[in-house]
Amino acid sequence: EAGVTQFPSHSVIEKGQTVTLRCDPISGHDNLYWYRRVMGKEIKFLLHFVKESKQDESGMPNNRFLAERTGGTYSTLKVQPAELEDSGVYFCASSLRGGLTDTQYFGPGTRLTVL
Amino acid sequence: AQSVSQHNHHVILSEAASLELGCNYSYGGTVNLFWYVQYPGQHLQLLLKYFSGDPLVKGIKGFEAEFIKSKFSFNLRKPSVQWSDTAEYFCAAHRGGADGLTFGKGTHLIIQP
Repeated sequence: EAGVTQFPSHSVIEKGQTVTLRCDPISGHDNLYWYRRVMGKEIKFLLHFVKESKQDESGMPNNRFLAERTGGTYSTLKVQPAELEDSGVYFCASSLRGGLTDTQYFGPGTRLTVL
Repeated sequence: AQSVSQHNHHVILSEAASLELGCNYSYGGTVNLFWYVQYPGQHLQLLLKYFSGDPLVKGIKGFEAEFIKSKFSFNLRKPSVQWSDTAEYFCAAHRGGADGLTFGKGTHLIIQP
């Protein structure tokens, strides 16, 4: 069974540009999560989809970040315009049922560098 | 706000030494606890998890963790480490009513041959 995949693995952009990150969850997993790790800090939750619906986006930093999951399969996270402080590793995770007793499986992450 | 604290950011051990990585969480309600590991160049993998029942949980690769409710702790242990255990280890908590996991800052473990 294929795991969670993310694309690209690395992205280097200049401040003010736009970047779109993609996540493909494990097949059949309705729950999809985005997390971010800024250098030196802990991994922080950004938002949670159930199928195509946003369940919780309390962790999204600001309105420069837009996450979508049209069709309830893969998800994209767009940063527009990117700022220096957006640099970090963006992780995606998926789970089957959601909820407290479910396990989230993580992708390899996308390392974003904003210059 | 809920937080997860990992006491050591860097740990260096020799092979065959015993390991204990500390983790404390601040939330008092229902909480599930996890340890994830990230080996160099790889993605986060689940080592073990605690939901309920026996507070001593066993995971993959000889790791175990003990949930001590009175101490709000979930320390990770391994009796004899190997060079291949070199990795970054993350403690995480999932509390009732929240969607996302709350992670600690991670512990870099280096095992010297």
